[in-house]
Amino acid sequence: AQSVAQPEDQVNVAEGNPLTVKCTYSVSGNPYLFWYVQYPNRGLQFLLKYITGDNLVKGSYGFEAEFNKSQTSFHLKKPSALVSDSALYFCAVRANSNYQLIWGAGTKLIIKP
Amino acid sequence: EAGVAQSPRYKIIEKRQSVAFWCNPISGHATLYWYQQILGQGPKLLIQFQNNGVVDDSQLPKDRFSAERLKGVDSTLKIQPAKLEDSAVYLCASSLVRRARDTIYFGEGSWLTVV
Repeated sequence: AQSVAQPEDQVNVAEGNPLTVKCTYSVSGNPYLFWYVQYPNRGLQFLLKYITGDNLVKGSYGFEAEFNKSQTSFHLKKPSALVSDSALYFCAVRANSNYQLIWGAGTKLIIKP
Repeated sequence: EAGVAQSPRYKIIEKRQSVAFWCNPISGHATLYWYQQILGQGPKLLIQFQNNGVVDDSQLPKDRFSAERLKGVDSTLKIQPAKLEDSAVYLCASSLVRRARDTIYFGEGSWLTVV
């Protein structure tokens, strides 16, 4: 069965420090991996995705994510956090053999000044 | 490029009343989705259209929810009669075609409160 895990309900980071939001997945076949961000009272905004090729994917707002096939992970990273990065982050995965998009439970990111 | 448009943004209704949400996808996007998101949780797919045909409605509570996309562009999601547990955000989304690698783009959501 396909699944996505975001092991941390909440991540707290000081402004200016690097941040990591973790995501691990389980699919049969090659995965397509996505990160979305949701600000309060807003819809989901696409940040980045991994399809194939370079394991380091760069996305919007200075975010990047690293695909690690052996660890079945796709962690979201940013070198220097901003207070405005505070939001809810969702990881999602599809197998190329199955069109269904599986969502993680979300991680609340809090950046403190 | 305009994004996914949804209306109304906010709606408060009493239980057993009906409500309808409208969605206009990104121009040229053949695939349209309706998701339900309970506060603090990930989105749950309700129904997926490819052009004006339904390709997945397995999680749509068909006794009270209905959706249509008659001309393959705009879509409407209706709830009748509403229950308290239907309080959620209803997100419309679209993608260019129905491929696993395609990005799904979301609207701002329609926030429903059932009292």
